[in-house]
Amino acid sequence: KAGVTQTPRYLIKTRGQQVTLSCSPISGHRSVSWYQQTPGQGLQFLFEYFSETQRNKGNFPGRFSGRQFSNSRSEMNVSTLELGDSALYLCASSLGPINEQFFGPGTRLTVL
Amino acid sequence: QQQVKQSPQSLIVQKGGIPIINCAYENTAFDYFPWYQQFPGKGPALLIAIRPDVSEKKEGRFTISFNKSAKQFSLHIMDSQPGDSATYFCAASEGSGGSNYKLTFGKGTLLTVNP
Repeated sequence: KAGVTQTPRYLIKTRGQQVTLSCSPISGHRSVSWYQQTPGQGLQFLFEYFSETQRNKGNFPGRFSGRQFSNSRSEMNVSTLELGDSALYLCASSLGPINEQFFGPGTRLTVL
Repeated sequence: QQQVKQSPQSLIVQKGGIPIINCAYENTAFDYFPWYQQFPGKGPALLIAIRPDVSEKKEGRFTISFNKSAKQFSLHIMDSQPGDSATYFCAASEGSGGSNYKLTFGKGTLLTVNP
């Protein structure tokens, strides 16, 4: 069974731009969560989607948004990029909202 | 407020040693405690997880010990190998009710196992 895939793997953007990251969960998994990983803050929860509905949201500004499609694939968007948004963005999928989460390899975003 | 405190930040052991990584939590509503292993350039991989109704769980060379009254849990790696060199994260969630499921992570422990 293929794992969680994330595209692109690497991105370089400049301040003020916006970016869209994509996540394809493991086949059959309906819950997708997003996390931001930085050396200083570690792994921080962004949001979680189940059946196209955002069920939980972490403590991030409104510039961070996401959505989930009917095939469970998910995208997250960051608008008006700031230098501090440079991070590894990880997507995790699970069968349902309370099942074990499996992570993808992440998208490395660099904001210049 | 850091809800899951992990220690040590880094750890060096010799091959065959038993590294122990500790985590403490504050939120008594947490009811699921997984450990993740992350290699450079990869996403975290689930190693082992425990729920508070048991005090210990073993899977292969990995053991979780859980102390509910102290709000602490730890990971032991038996007969450690150089291939175990990675960053280890503890995490916790209060998801059994399905209404607030998200993982809160510790800051991570960089483990180095010398040959």
